Amino acid sequence: RKEVEQDPGPFNVPEGATVAFNCTYSNSASQSFFWYRQDCRKEPKLLMSVYSSGNEDGRFTAQLNRASQYISLLIRDSKLSDSATYLCVVRLSGGYNKLIFGAGTRLAVHP
Amino acid sequence: NAGVTQTPKFQVLKTGQSMTLQCAQDMNHNSMYWYRQDPGMGLRLIYYSASEGTTDKGEVPNGYNVSRLNKREFSLRLESAAPSQTSVYFCASSGMGQAKTEAFFGQGTRLTVV
Repeated sequence: RKEVEQDPGPFNVPEGATVAFNCTYSNSASQSFFWYRQDCRKEPKLLMSVYSSGNEDGRFTAQLNRASQYISLLIRDSKLSDSATYLCVVRLSGGYNKLIFGAGTRLAVHP
Repeated sequence: NAGVTQTPKFQVLKTGQSMTLQCAQDMNHNSMYWYRQDPGMGLRLIYYSASEGTTDKGEVPNGYNVSRLNKREFSLRLESAAPSQTSVYFCASSGMGQAKTEAFFGQGTRLTVV
């Protein structure tokens, strides 16, 4: 079983749609959680960190459920510019500081 | 603001050749990472260095070696390149501890082994 698993995608949605991505992680020692965005042939960049209480940044909302080892990302009012691959990332605790990436979910927003 | 700098950006190798990918960060981060990304796939961890003086294997270490030369630099070496190592390689760095620990990435090295 992979340490971080995501919806396989791709998600094809019209502009203005709401779309949700899910992610599960297997290691209970996971300490920090992130969503990254990766555009085609570019390096990943941080979209947002995910906090235990849930957090929102404009049209983006992230949720964490430690009991179920589950993370989600909700995008409201999708824009064409949201088209990208979204990567779920988990950092393990202790001195390891190991960052594990999910395989990513591709989003295509069309007019 | 250089951030994370990788060299080279592109490389073509013949099977059996060796090369070293260089990575340097100027953010005073303790941790550095090497990932590979194959077409249509996510990032797989090759090696990482939680802090200067330590290195650990990731998910796909076979065929690679690393050196944490100092706090700034973390190199990845392919001793005998194979076509299966054709990929895009990303170096990243991050801080440690409970504070913000997002990872910053270099622009990637596109390696082709023929």
